[in-house]
Amino acid sequence: NAGVTQTPKFRVLKTGQSMTLLCAQDMNHEYMYWYRQDPGMGLRLIHYSVGEGTTAKGEVPDGYNVSRLKKQNFLLGLESAAPSQTSVYFCASSYWAGSNYGYTFGSGTRLTVV
Amino acid sequence: RKEVEQDPGPFNVPEGATVAFNCTYSNSASQSFFWYRQDCRKEPKLLMSVYSSGNEDGRFTAQLNRASQYISLLIRDSKLSDSATYLCVVPQARQLTFGSGTQLTVLP
Repeated sequence: NAGVTQTPKFRVLKTGQSMTLLCAQDMNHEYMYWYRQDPGMGLRLIHYSVGEGTTAKGEVPDGYNVSRLKKQNFLLGLESAAPSQTSVYFCASSYWAGSNYGYTFGSGTRLTVV
Repeated sequence: RKEVEQDPGPFNVPEGATVAFNCTYSNSASQSFFWYRQDCRKEPKLLMSVYSSGNEDGRFTAQLNRASQYISLLIRDSKLSDSATYLCVVPQARQLTFGSGTQLTVLP
Protein backbone atom coordinates (compact mmCIF):
# COMPACT_ATOMS: atom_id res chain seq x y z
CA ASN A 1 0.00 0.00 0.00
CA ALA A 2 1.80 3.13 -1.26
CA GLY A 3 -0.11 5.75 0.82
CA VAL A 4 0.92 9.21 -0.39
CA THR A 5 3.55 9.47 -3.11
CA GLN A 6 5.27 12.70 -4.10
CA THR A 7 7.33 13.27 -7.22
CA PRO A 8 9.97 14.44 -7.70
CA LYS A 9 11.90 14.03 -4.44
CA PHE A 10 14.52 16.66 -5.31
CA ARG A 11 14.68 19.48 -7.82
CA VAL A 12 16.85 22.48 -8.55
CA LEU A 13 15.25 25.29 -10.55
CA LYS A 14 16.55 28.51 -11.95
CA THR A 15 14.69 31.70 -11.10
CA GLY A 16 11.78 32.15 -13.47
CA GLN A 17 11.43 28.49 -14.42
CA SER A 18 8.21 26.63 -13.90
CA MET A 19 7.50 23.18 -12.55
CA THR A 20 4.74 20.95 -11.25
CA LEU A 21 4.88 18.80 -8.14
CA LEU A 22 2.69 15.72 -8.20
CA CYS A 23 0.98 14.14 -5.21
CA ALA A 24 -0.84 10.84 -5.54
CA GLN A 25 -2.76 8.94 -2.84
CA ASP A 26 -4.34 5.51 -3.00
CA MET A 27 -6.40 5.66 0.22
CA ASN A 28 -9.55 7.17 -1.32
CA HIS A 29 -9.13 10.28 0.83
CA GLU A 30 -11.33 13.26 0.10
CA TYR A 31 -9.04 15.93 1.52
CA MET A 32 -5.59 16.74 0.16
CA TYR A 33 -3.12 19.44 1.18
CA TRP A 34 0.12 21.07 0.15
CA TYR A 35 2.41 22.42 2.88
CA ARG A 36 5.81 24.01 2.81
CA GLN A 37 8.28 23.69 5.66
CA ASP A 38 11.07 26.16 6.28
CA PRO A 39 13.57 26.19 9.16
CA GLY A 40 12.02 27.72 12.27
CA MET A 41 8.68 28.31 10.52
CA GLY A 42 6.94 25.00 10.94
CA LEU A 43 4.51 23.66 8.36
CA ARG A 44 2.52 26.29 6.49
CA LEU A 45 -0.50 25.46 4.35
CA ILE A 46 -0.27 26.56 0.72
CA HIS A 47 -3.48 25.20 -0.84
CA TYR A 48 -5.89 22.42 -0.08
CA SER A 49 -8.75 20.50 -1.64
CA VAL A 50 -11.84 19.01 -0.01
CA GLY A 51 -12.75 16.86 -2.99
CA GLU A 52 -12.26 16.23 -6.68
CA GLY A 53 -12.56 19.45 -8.67
CA THR A 54 -12.24 21.73 -5.63
CA THR A 55 -9.33 23.82 -4.39
CA ALA A 56 -8.91 26.51 -1.75
CA LYS A 57 -6.19 28.88 -0.58
CA GLY A 58 -4.27 28.27 2.58
CA GLU A 59 -1.98 30.52 4.58
CA VAL A 60 0.71 31.14 1.92
CA PRO A 61 -0.85 30.67 -1.56
CA ASP A 62 0.94 33.43 -3.50
CA GLY A 63 3.14 32.17 -6.32
CA TYR A 64 1.47 28.75 -6.44
CA ASN A 65 -1.45 27.18 -8.27
CA VAL A 66 -3.10 23.80 -7.75
CA SER A 67 -5.44 21.44 -9.51
CA ARG A 68 -7.44 18.39 -8.42
CA LEU A 69 -8.82 16.90 -11.61
CA LYS A 70 -8.83 13.38 -10.19
CA LYS A 71 -9.60 12.41 -6.61
CA GLN A 72 -6.29 10.63 -6.15
CA ASN A 73 -4.04 13.40 -7.52
CA PHE A 74 -3.25 16.90 -6.29
CA LEU A 75 -0.84 18.99 -8.37
CA LEU A 76 1.11 22.01 -7.15
CA GLY A 77 2.44 24.37 -9.79
CA LEU A 78 5.07 27.08 -9.64
CA GLU A 79 4.64 29.31 -12.68
CA SER A 80 7.75 31.45 -12.19
CA ALA A 81 10.00 30.15 -9.44
CA ALA A 82 11.66 32.56 -7.01
CA PRO A 83 14.47 31.94 -4.48
CA SER A 84 11.91 32.53 -1.69
CA GLN A 85 10.20 29.32 -2.80
CA THR A 86 13.23 27.26 -1.82
CA SER A 87 11.72 24.91 0.72
CA VAL A 88 10.63 21.38 1.51
CA TYR A 89 7.14 20.69 0.18
CA PHE A 90 4.90 18.09 1.78
CA CYS A 91 1.67 16.75 0.44
CA ALA A 92 -0.86 15.17 2.80
CA SER A 93 -4.26 13.57 2.60
CA SER A 94 -7.04 12.64 4.99
CA TYR A 95 -10.66 11.48 5.13
CA TRP A 96 -11.54 14.87 6.63
CA ALA A 97 -9.77 17.54 8.68
CA GLY A 98 -10.72 16.17 12.09
CA SER A 99 -10.33 12.52 11.14
CA ASN A 100 -9.28 10.19 13.95
CA TYR A 101 -6.50 9.03 11.70
CA GLY A 102 -5.02 12.46 11.14
CA TYR A 103 -3.15 13.17 7.97
CA THR A 104 -0.90 10.89 5.96
CA PHE A 105 2.08 12.71 4.54
CA GLY A 106 4.22 12.06 1.52
CA SER A 107 7.98 11.92 1.95
CA GLY A 108 8.49 15.46 0.67
CA THR A 109 10.04 17.31 -2.25
CA ARG A 110 13.18 19.33 -1.62
CA LEU A 111 13.17 22.28 -3.98
CA THR A 112 16.02 24.73 -4.44
CA VAL A 113 15.58 27.82 -6.58
CA VAL A 114 18.83 29.49 -7.62
CA ARG B 1 -1.34 35.22 19.82
CA LYS B 2 -0.32 32.43 17.46
CA GLU B 3 -3.00 29.83 16.73
CA VAL B 4 -0.78 27.04 18.06
CA GLU B 5 2.23 27.68 20.30
CA GLN B 6 4.68 25.13 21.63
CA ASP B 7 7.50 25.05 24.14
CA PRO B 8 10.54 26.62 22.46
CA GLY B 9 12.95 23.75 23.19
CA PRO B 10 15.30 22.20 22.40
CA PHE B 11 15.09 19.57 25.12
CA ASN B 12 18.18 17.47 25.83
CA VAL B 13 17.48 14.66 28.30
CA PRO B 14 19.31 11.48 29.39
CA GLU B 15 17.99 8.06 28.53
CA GLY B 16 15.33 6.94 30.97
CA ALA B 17 14.22 10.47 31.84
CA THR B 18 10.66 11.72 31.77
CA VAL B 19 10.03 14.77 29.61
CA ALA B 20 6.92 16.85 29.00
CA PHE B 21 6.00 19.26 26.25
CA ASN B 22 3.20 21.82 26.39
CA CYS B 23 1.17 23.35 23.61
CA THR B 24 -1.42 26.13 23.75
CA TYR B 25 -4.08 26.84 21.16
CA SER B 26 -6.27 29.85 20.50
CA ASN B 27 -9.41 28.34 18.90
CA SER B 28 -11.66 27.33 21.77
CA ALA B 29 -13.98 25.53 19.32
CA SER B 30 -11.37 22.89 18.46
CA GLN B 31 -12.54 19.44 19.50
CA SER B 32 -9.69 17.11 18.57
CA PHE B 33 -5.97 17.45 18.74
CA PHE B 34 -2.92 15.58 17.57
CA TRP B 35 0.73 15.08 18.33
CA TYR B 36 2.94 14.31 15.35
CA ARG B 37 6.54 13.19 15.34
CA GLN B 38 8.99 14.35 12.69
CA ASP B 39 12.44 12.85 12.29
CA CYS B 40 15.19 14.89 10.68
CA ARG B 41 14.51 15.43 6.96
CA LYS B 42 11.48 13.12 7.05
CA GLU B 43 7.75 13.63 6.84
CA PRO B 44 5.61 14.15 9.98
CA LYS B 45 3.92 11.01 11.28
CA LEU B 46 0.93 10.78 13.58
CA LEU B 47 1.94 9.89 17.14
CA MET B 48 -1.28 10.34 19.12
CA SER B 49 -4.79 11.71 18.86
CA VAL B 50 -6.44 13.48 21.80
CA TYR B 51 -10.23 13.81 21.94
CA SER B 52 -11.32 13.88 25.56
CA SER B 53 -9.27 14.61 28.66
CA GLY B 54 -6.35 12.51 27.55
CA ASN B 55 -4.92 9.47 25.87
CA GLU B 56 -2.21 7.00 26.82
CA ASP B 57 -0.17 4.73 24.55
CA GLY B 58 2.65 2.87 26.23
CA ARG B 59 5.27 5.38 27.38
CA PHE B 60 3.39 8.29 25.85
CA THR B 61 0.57 10.23 27.51
CA ALA B 62 -1.26 13.16 25.98
CA GLN B 63 -3.50 15.34 28.13
CA LEU B 64 -5.99 18.01 27.21
CA ASN B 65 -7.11 20.95 29.34
CA ARG B 66 -9.95 22.67 27.51
CA ALA B 67 -10.46 25.36 30.13
CA SER B 68 -6.88 26.55 29.80
CA GLN B 69 -6.64 25.59 26.13
CA TYR B 70 -3.48 23.57 26.34
CA ILE B 71 -2.34 20.10 25.41
CA SER B 72 0.62 18.28 26.86
CA LEU B 73 2.70 15.29 25.80
CA LEU B 74 4.53 13.24 28.43
CA ILE B 75 7.21 10.74 27.47
CA ARG B 76 8.32 8.34 30.18
CA ASP B 77 11.52 6.25 30.19
CA SER B 78 12.95 8.11 27.20
CA LYS B 79 14.76 6.08 24.54
CA LEU B 80 17.43 7.21 22.11
CA SER B 81 14.91 6.51 19.35
CA ASP B 82 12.57 9.15 20.79
CA SER B 83 14.91 11.86 19.51
CA ALA B 84 12.83 13.86 17.04
CA THR B 85 10.77 17.02 16.68
CA TYR B 86 7.28 16.83 18.17
CA LEU B 87 4.54 18.85 16.53
CA CYS B 88 1.34 19.92 18.22
CA VAL B 89 -1.54 20.00 15.73
CA VAL B 90 -4.99 21.55 16.01
CA PRO B 91 -7.80 21.23 13.44
CA GLN B 92 -9.13 24.62 12.35
CA ALA B 93 -12.10 24.60 9.97
CA ARG B 94 -11.08 22.34 7.07
CA GLN B 95 -7.38 22.12 7.83
CA LEU B 96 -4.84 21.29 10.47
CA THR B 97 -2.70 24.01 11.99
CA PHE B 98 0.76 22.90 13.05
CA GLY B 99 2.86 24.29 15.84
CA SER B 100 6.48 25.03 15.00
CA GLY B 101 7.62 21.96 16.91
CA THR B 102 9.75 21.10 19.91
CA GLN B 103 13.04 19.33 19.33
CA LEU B 104 13.93 16.48 21.67
CA THR B 105 17.35 14.88 21.89
CA VAL B 106 17.75 11.85 24.16
CA LEU B 107 21.35 11.44 25.24
CA PRO B 108 23.07 8.12 26.05
